[in-house]
Amino acid sequence: QVQLVQSGGGVVQPGRSLRLSCAASGLAFNNYAMYWVRQAPGKGLEWVAVTSYDGNNRYYTDSVKGRFTISRDNSKKTLYLQMDSLRSDDTAVYYCAGHFGDYPLDPWGQGTLVSVSS
Amino acid sequence: EVVLTQSPGTLSLSPGERATLSCRASQSLSNSYLAWYQQKPGQAPRLLIYGASSRATGIPDRFSGSGSGTDFILTISRLEPEDFAVYYCHQSGSSPVTFGGGTKVEIK
Repeated sequence: QVQLVQSGGGVVQPGRSLRLSCAASGLAFNNYAMYWVRQAPGKGLEWVAVTSYDGNNRYYTDSVKGRFTISRDNSKKTLYLQMDSLRSDDTAVYYCAGHFGDYPLDPWGQGTLVSVSS
Repeated sequence: EVVLTQSPGTLSLSPGERATLSCRASQSLSNSYLAWYQQKPGQAPRLLIYGASSRATGIPDRFSGSGSGTDFILTISRLEPEDFAVYYCHQSGSSPVTFGGGTKVEIK
């Protein structure tokens, strides 16, 4: 059974840090590029960060550049998102998702809520 | 980035009616790498259609996709109660992937 299981998240004060994890099972993790996608309350889907299958290439949406770091450990089949200097507008449900070739993002993790509030 | 514009923003229909959702891309999508997702409250997006017109595993045949280039359509032939949700189009042919703003299909 193909699964992405997320952990981490929660309530954090502005300026603090948080790390999200996404553990894969049932898929050839090291063949997939991996994305973090977020969804602010009542809003649509927004890509946040992407890493290539081997972790050598990483890209970020402008609003998180210099604050967020995406990484992966293929030996553990796990994806990470280190979020530093968090702001209130980072409040969202964060999803991890796999990307194989030109196919759509699939599978998806269950999502984890990050709430940035004082 | 490829910008995807969905219309309408909200569609108010009754069960049994036909739903037609539109997605327009800011540039032509190679090999029609356009997909559609369904999302219900508190859930992750669920893949419905990929390659513009291919149904994902387990998706009922009342869902169909069409289009090419910059204009794409998702059709739900007869709405079932469980189909009332938000639908997103998504392109995966250009990096980074992007999403449309969504169409909410609500009960009239």
